[in-house]
This record gives sequence, structure tokens and C-alpha cells, in this order.
Amino acid sequence: SQTIHQWPATLVQPVGSPLSLECTVEGTSNPNLYWYRQAAGRGLQLLFYSVGIGQISSEVPQNLSASRPQDRQFILSSKKLLLSDSGFYLCATAGAGYNEQFFGPGTRLTVL
Amino acid sequence: SQQGEEDPQALSIQEGENATMNCSYKTSINNLQWYRQNSGRGLVHLILIRSNEREKHSGRLRVTLDTSKKSSSLLITASRAADTASYFCATVPQGAGGTSYGKLTFGQGTILTVHP
Repeated sequence: SQTIHQWPATLVQPVGSPLSLECTVEGTSNPNLYWYRQAAGRGLQLLFYSVGIGQISSEVPQNLSASRPQDRQFILSSKKLLLSDSGFYLCATAGAGYNEQFFGPGTRLTVL
Repeated sequence: SQQGEEDPQALSIQEGENATMNCSYKTSINNLQWYRQNSGRGLVHLILIRSNEREKHSGRLRVTLDTSKKSSSLLITASRAADTASYFCATVPQGAGGTSYGKLTFGQGTILTVHP
């Protein structure tokens, strides 16, 4: 089965600082990869998805960017964090036939 | 955008009771999935129901889908304290050419608390 690793688990950053969150996947090859953000007490919002190396699609305009330098590595970045970037960031990969998604443990980001 | 709306937003019950959560959505779907999230953790897939199915069972879970009303319900029977979590519905849309890349649109979730 697929395993998703995310780090760091928690992060506190000042406004205006850069961001890099990493996600790596085991147990599958050429997966579709997704970045979601979850605000407190809310559902998940899809930020980016990738169907292959170097292929990134953005779902919403924002202060963030994503990259996929390797088949099983997905990175979420920002050059300058905003207060509104605070939230719980989840990386996910799709199972066969898109019948389910497997989620990583998440990174809780607090921007002060 | 979040097309799913769930109710209730919070549900508090006693162990042994049944818990019912509802989900509504706006666009045509390929399938609808339910996920569970323990506090501060990632999501875990529970069950999937396809657009041509009306009811599905998995253990103590029962899911129904009414595409004419664009709604689904999740029933957890004989609840346990360990069922305490947030529950989310998520839809896979019927994308252009049938390819949506598995993108999920989530509802806002129902927080279920089961008291021992």
C-alpha cells in the first residue's frame, strides 16, 4: 500500500519568510499528487495537483507554488508568507482508478 | 470551491446509538467518497459510492446516494467512542472528456462526538 511522508509536522514562521514543505510517496510509481489546505474547523481545499514530473496545475490563485522535481516528491513553497497562509497542509496521492486518496499526516503551519 | 455542504456541523451521541451525517453537492459526479479525520491527523478513506449506485455497506457503515437530489448520507450503526472524529464527504466530478484527474471537492465536514 501507499505511504506518504510529510515534514515538518509543525512549523511556525514569521510573515514575509519563505516556506518549503516536502511530501514523498512510497509504494507506488507515477502517482497523481495533490496538495490540500485545511483551515481550522473547515473542509479541505485543493491547492495543486500533479500528474507527472514537472507538471503542476493550480486550482486557486494564491501566494503559494508547487513543484515536482522527482516522481514521488512534491514540494509546496512560498517566497513570502502571509498571515492567511496559516493552516493544515495535506499531501495526498490517488489510488488506482481514482477510487480513493491516501493522505499524509499533514503539516500544521502557523504564520505570525 | 467547496461544493459539498454537510449537516449537521456537529453531532453528539452516546455509545451504541446510530449517527447519521448528510452531504449535499452541486455538480454532476463520477463518485462520492467519505473520509474520516481524527483530530490533527490526515484523512482516511472510508467508503466510495458511484453515481450509478444507490446504497452501499461496509461493516457498520451504510452510505446512500440520491443523484436526483444531489445528496448522500453516511450512517454509522452502534457507534463507539473510537468513532469520535470529523467526517467529510468528497466528490469526484464528471470532468471534460471524463478526465478529472481524481480531484476531490470536499464538504465542510461533520464533527462526531461519541460519549462512552
